Amino acid sequence: QSALTQPRSVSGSPGQSVTISCTGTSSDVGGYNYVSWYQQHPGKAPKLMIYDVSKRPSGVPDRFSGSKSGNTASLTISGLQAEDEADYYCCSYAGSYFWVFGGGTKLTVL
Amino acid sequence: QVQLVQSGAEVKKPGASVKVSCKVSGYTLTELSMHWVRQAPGKGLEWMGGFDPEDGETIYAQKFQGRVTMTEDTSTDTAYMELSSLRSEDTAVYYCATTSVVIEGGWHFNNWFDPWGQGTLVTVSS
Repeated sequence: QSALTQPRSVSGSPGQSVTISCTGTSSDVGGYNYVSWYQQHPGKAPKLMIYDVSKRPSGVPDRFSGSKSGNTASLTISGLQAEDEADYYCCSYAGSYFWVFGGGTKLTVL
Repeated sequence: QVQLVQSGAEVKKPGASVKVSCKVSGYTLTELSMHWVRQAPGKGLEWMGGFDPEDGETIYAQKFQGRVTMTEDTSTDTAYMELSSLRSEDTAVYYCATTSVVIEGGWHFNNWFDPWGQGTLVTVSS
């Protein structure tokens, strides 16, 4: 299983919106609506932000949204805040009870 | 709610094995599908394997097959991940995390990882 492809870094100013892409194949992202996104601050464990492509766990601000088109999933963060600065990882189910993560994207809030 | 608490940092020599534990509270281990994910320094997350509740088997990522063993002690609600033949590239933080959970006697199949343990740093160095 190859890692999903994410941009190494994205940036935005407070209040702006940013979108992080996550590209896979028809065997993972494109084949299932089981994409999840995780936020990770330095030295901390990952935190679930989005599951099943576009659903938000309770407690996650509605500034975070997810979508998918074909083999590419996207995480959009609107109304950027300083505390959103972190690494973000996508993850997809890949069939036969295998999972694959993306390489991670570093979000910088300017 | 489920809480996962992992064992402390380990330093191992190349060729040795390491066994990391993950203690469950808030649920029993038999009601959870436990997985292990690792993260090398400055690198991304890598799924290592986990328990498939539909088949009742533990599934390992191809990269780790033959070198990793994931076990459970249901008497103490503790999951273990043992990695053998360690090499320097295995230096990483190892996380336990759960997916599916038993609710009202039946499996609720979740395809995401939540919650996560705090992580265990394993350093492989001669």
